[in-house]
Amino acid sequence: GENVEQHPSTLSVQEGDSAVIKCTYSDSASNYFPWYKQELGKGPQLIIDIRSNVGEKKDQRIAVTLNKTAKHFSLHITETQPEDSAVYFCAASNIALSNSNYQLIWGAGTKLIIKP
Amino acid sequence: DAGVIQSPRHEVTEMGQEVTLRCKPISGHDYLFWYRQTMMRGLELLIYFNNNVPIDDSGMPEDRFSAKMPNASFSTLKIQPSEPRDSAVYFCASRPLAGGIEETQYFGPGTRLLVL
Repeated sequence: GENVEQHPSTLSVQEGDSAVIKCTYSDSASNYFPWYKQELGKGPQLIIDIRSNVGEKKDQRIAVTLNKTAKHFSLHITETQPEDSAVYFCAASNIALSNSNYQLIWGAGTKLIIKP
Repeated sequence: DAGVIQSPRHEVTEMGQEVTLRCKPISGHDYLFWYRQTMMRGLELLIYFNNNVPIDDSGMPEDRFSAKMPNASFSTLKIQPSEPRDSAVYFCASRPLAGGIEETQYFGPGTRLLVL
């Protein structure tokens, strides 16, 4: 089955600098890769996702890149701000249009700390 | 919509007692997921339902755990008898029917369970 590894487990960056979190997956059939942000005391919330037919997707200060050959994808946050401090989870799944019964396979999470 | 609603938000109980966690998914969502989150094991999928029918319960740790979804707007996760190692944050999430349009899982605020 699918396995997702996420690194680093903790990342500390200076406010204003960029942060990069990386994930690798094992199942080459995976075609959907979301990133969730979990703030303290709350449930995870989707911030961006990418499908296997594109290599990069951006939304303001966040971007996700996908390398299907190497089976890894990364989250990039530029111009980090204090509100970016949270735990970030990557996930992977194989979504088939003919079958909507799928589950996300989650990474272990990265605690991002933004230093003022 | 108020989002996914979970109750109680906090539960403290003694070993051996029955614990019931409750979830109201977002109206119109076809899928409901129960997750458990701990520092050691991260985010684990316990079980998920499609149109009130359990699809995959392979993540349910033991027979002490059971989940039901009697209707589209309510689900329970029961632990009987509870043990200290069940202490965790339990999340409920819901998702619309997949079809290439909406894959987002919407998480509730979680129930923090402490078994003494």
